[in-house]
Amino acid sequence: ETGVTQTPRHLVMGMTNKKSLKCEQHLGHNAMYWYKQSAKKPLELMFVYSLEERVENNSVPSRFSPECPNSSHLFLHLHTLQPEDSALYLCASSQEGRIYNEQFFGPGTRLTVL
Amino acid sequence: ILNVEQSPQSLHVQEGDSTNFTCSFPSSNFYALHWYRWETAKSPEALFVMTLNGDEKKKGRISATLNTKEGYSYLYIKGSQPEDSATYLCASAQYGNKLVFGAGTILRVKS
Repeated sequence: ETGVTQTPRHLVMGMTNKKSLKCEQHLGHNAMYWYKQSAKKPLELMFVYSLEERVENNSVPSRFSPECPNSSHLFLHLHTLQPEDSALYLCASSQEGRIYNEQFFGPGTRLTVL
Repeated sequence: ILNVEQSPQSLHVQEGDSTNFTCSFPSSNFYALHWYRWETAKSPEALFVMTLNGDEKKKGRISATLNTKEGYSYLYIKGSQPEDSATYLCASAQYGNKLVFGAGTILRVKS
């Protein structure tokens, strides 16, 4: 068990739907991340939160809206997505948002946009 | 843009074989190199984080080396076992930049 949980594990949504992905970490970390993995592409960083403040937004379209209400929880709010947004969305956490700290990943949410 | 390349893309070995794969990254302004193991239907799991040129790290039968001057890292698995089957990811970062992942090497170990 990695200590990072994600719900739901699978999500199918239409382009006009609004849904949210949830991530929770039980490791006492203070940095959290959203990654996207599209088919046959490397993991791509979307957002970084450190001490509940967004420190990185990797040119992600506004139809993806992150929220970090506290250091243990991270959400990704989705609205008016496109079929090309279908991907595996991974959450991760680390002790401080420093890139020399290992990251602990959740199992991911497999998103399909119809 | 930081490009991280991994080779080979996939590898099939017999149980007991030793194997290695490569991660290449730009050597300028190097800051950190991560290795992760990602088993199917599970979460990626950190193996090593390396920052110093010449660094070598070991965890059981798995070890890694780092050459920051020429921009590569090797991951070695000694005496591969079926449970080593996974995708091995490396990720590199330069000063002031985010972690960038390679596409991974898929390892399949046949018993």
